[in-house]
This record gives sequence, C-alpha cells and structure tokens, in this order.
Amino acid sequence: QKEVEQNSGPLSVPEGAIASLNCTYSDRGSQSFFWYRQYSGKSPELIMFIYSNGDKEDGRFTAQLNKASQYVSLLIRDSQPSDSATYLCAVNEGDTGRRALTFGSGTRLQVQP
Amino acid sequence: DAGITQSPRYKITETGRQVTLMCHQTWSHSYMFWYRQDLGHGLRLIYYSAAADITDKGEVPDGYVVSRSKTENFPLTLESATRSQTSVYFCASSEWVGRSYYGYTFGSGTRLTVV
Repeated sequence: QKEVEQNSGPLSVPEGAIASLNCTYSDRGSQSFFWYRQYSGKSPELIMFIYSNGDKEDGRFTAQLNKASQYVSLLIRDSQPSDSATYLCAVNEGDTGRRALTFGSGTRLQVQP
Repeated sequence: DAGITQSPRYKITETGRQVTLMCHQTWSHSYMFWYRQDLGHGLRLIYYSAAADITDKGEVPDGYVVSRSKTENFPLTLESATRSQTSVYFCASSEWVGRSYYGYTFGSGTRLTVV
C-alpha cells in the first residue's frame, strides 16, 4: 500500500506570514508530485507540480522536492485569508501503469487576518 | 463549454438501490478516474480507465462498476447501495504529453447519501 502522509492541521498562520506545508511519501518509484488546494465543499484544484529535486517557484508558491528523503513541501509566502483551505499532496504511482495519483489526507491551513 | 462535468451534484438514495453517477469530459483525455473522499481517509481511487474499453480497479472497488464505451464518458454505478458508500465522489481526467504529466482536473463532485 503506497502511502502519502500529511499533518492534518489545522496550521494557523497570521496574514502576511509564510505557511509551510509538508508531505512524505513511501513509493520510491514516484516521479511526479502535485499540490492541490481544496476549499470547503469544492473540488481540488491544481496549484503546483514538481518533477525534479530542488525548488520550483510560481508566484507566492514554492514547491520543494527531496527524493532521497521522500519529502515534498509547499511554501506559501505572504499568506492571505483567501489561502485558507485544505492542501492535498499527491504523488504518481511509480511502479504501475495506471498513471494514477495517490493523495494524502490533506493539511488544513487557516490564515488569520 | 470545455471541461469535466459530473451529475447529479447531490443524490439521496435508499439502501439496496442501484445508482449511477455520470462523468463527462470534453478534452478527449485518455485517462479518467473515480475517487471517493471521506473524512479521515482523503481521496481514495475506486476505478481507473486508460482509454475507451480499458478499465481497472483501484484501492476501493468493491460494490462499484464502471464502463467506458466512449472516451468522453465514464459512469460509475453502485450496484446495490450501502450506507458505507455515503461519500463525496470525484471524477477526474488527465493526459500525458510526451513524458510530461500535468496532473488531474477534477469535476465538481457528487455528494451521495445512502439512507
């Protein structure tokens, strides 16, 4: 059973601060890593993906990947109340042909005004 | 409009009834997926399809049936609904471009309650 682990939170940060969300995964064959944001009652929406070790920046978001440690993180700079949501980490199944993603249970982020 | 649509958005059914949840995408994506989302379990894969007439079981397939006669449609049927199948169901589609993979796009979800 491939696993993706996230702290369920809630992670509470003040407006303008940096929010750091973390994820570990068990499948060493995984090559693609994704962060989704899900507002309450809505469907998940893709915000970042990363394939290579290191950092990838997109606006206020930075994804970080360390395959040796099997660790993925998402940094949100200048956090806004509109960032309050559940963030889902997802990784591809490395050793199957299904092209399916395994999801963590999500971390709930609360940005306090 | 282009996208992925699910219907119905909400459904209440009785134990033992057959229920079909619909999923339609307009991108001609090869891959389509059904997930259920429950508190404490996150998103769990029910069934997956790589193309028309190619389907495979996911993590929690028991009690569900899928078909994919056309690329754009991927219905999920609960053969005899049970209360444990009360959940939010998400359909998703995706595609690979060369060796690049850009993840899923999800439908809006169907909230199913079995009473």
